[in-house]
Amino acid sequence: SQQGEEDPQALSIQEGENATMNCSYKTSINNLQWYRQNSGRGLVHLILIRSNEREKHSGRLRVTLDTSKKSSSLLITASRAADTASYFCATTNTGFQKLVFGTGTRLLVSP
Amino acid sequence: SQTIHQWPATLVQPVGSPLSLECTVEGTSNPNLYWYRQAAGRGLQLLFYSVGIGQISSEVPQNLSASRPQDRQFILSSKKLLLSDSGFYLCAWSPMNEQFFGPGTRLTVL
Repeated sequence: SQQGEEDPQALSIQEGENATMNCSYKTSINNLQWYRQNSGRGLVHLILIRSNEREKHSGRLRVTLDTSKKSSSLLITASRAADTASYFCATTNTGFQKLVFGTGTRLLVSP
Repeated sequence: SQTIHQWPATLVQPVGSPLSLECTVEGTSNPNLYWYRQAAGRGLQLLFYSVGIGQISSEVPQNLSASRPQDRQFILSSKKLLLSDSGFYLCAWSPMNEQFFGPGTRLTVL
């Protein structure tokens, strides 16, 4: 299975701190995506990084990808209470765009 | 702009009863469509995907089936629900790479 695994499973920080979540996967990929899920809601796409990219930024989000280690990290800078959610990485390999999701990191940002 | 709808939002059904969950997409044509299930506190498991009308691919053997009777309609069904079918069901559509998710249906089988 190509299923990714996020680390840590849960993360609790204070507002203003940075939050870093990691994702590892098993097989070669076409791209890797990060999604956010508020409790009991659908997922929202955050950012996509292609296999030939090493780093990408979007607002307070920074994603890195190391294909040699089959890992990615998501950094949220200057976190806010509204960032509280579960974060999932998802990968696609070549061919049809099926996403394989990791198990997620639950982030709690306290005011 | 594109919108994805799922209903119902919550559903409580007895074991052995049938199931029909509907998903529709607006504002796009010929989207790739997906059904996922999410167990409590877990990641998403892909159940079915479809690249066009009447074209369904199943990812895991199970008690469920899917159909795509129209371009922007995706239906998840079961003839007889099991306790293990409980979970949060998410529909998604994709134009290319990223996927856009509906609000989900929370199914409880008692």
